[in-house]
Amino acid sequence: KQEVTQIPAALSVPEGENLVLNCSFTDSAIYNLQWFRQDPGKGLTSLLLIQSSQREQTSGRLNASLDKSSGRSTLYIAASQPGDSATYLCAVNPPGNQFYFGTGTSLTVIP
Amino acid sequence: DTAVSQTPKYLVTQMGNDKSIKCEQNLGHDTMYWYKQDSKKFLKIMFSYNNKELIINETVPNRFSPKSPDKAHLNLHINSLELGDSAVYFCASSQSRGGYGYTFGSGTRLTVV
Repeated sequence: KQEVTQIPAALSVPEGENLVLNCSFTDSAIYNLQWFRQDPGKGLTSLLLIQSSQREQTSGRLNASLDKSSGRSTLYIAASQPGDSATYLCAVNPPGNQFYFGTGTSLTVIP
Repeated sequence: DTAVSQTPKYLVTQMGNDKSIKCEQNLGHDTMYWYKQDSKKFLKIMFSYNNKELIINETVPNRFSPKSPDKAHLNLHINSLELGDSAVYFCASSQSRGGYGYTFGSGTRLTVV
């Protein structure tokens, strides 16, 4: 059964720093991987989706990488801002199935 | 304008009651989901429907029964509510089973007292 782990569970950085969030999964037979953001009391917002054949995806200050063979993905956030404070969730999608979610990394960017 | 809307946003009820949560999406997506997020913020799939057909039914007590009258709606009915059912329930939809355009509702916070 697929298990998704995110490290660290919580991260606090000063504004302007670059940072990396990590995600690992146990079964490399995935269709795609997606990074989500969750704000307190809100639903999830999709940030980036990486197909299994891709190595990375970029959107603005966000860059997500995927190494399927080693079961790892990273989310890189450049020049962090207080508005980036949220919980970031990694989710893997086995072929034809639903997403398995990690437990998230709670990010706080200090002004 | 809301893409995936859930009602109600908050639900407080007593043990043993029966309650329903409604979900509607206006994105034209084929697949809809129900997820449960527990107190530790862990998000887990409960059900998935594709074009009104149940395709995923994880290990969920049979007190939980999803109903999809059409592909734009996926409702969740819960019988004989228990304290452990307290959680945030999220509805989501996607263009296909592959997760394209995955969109979540804002959640329903269920508290059983």
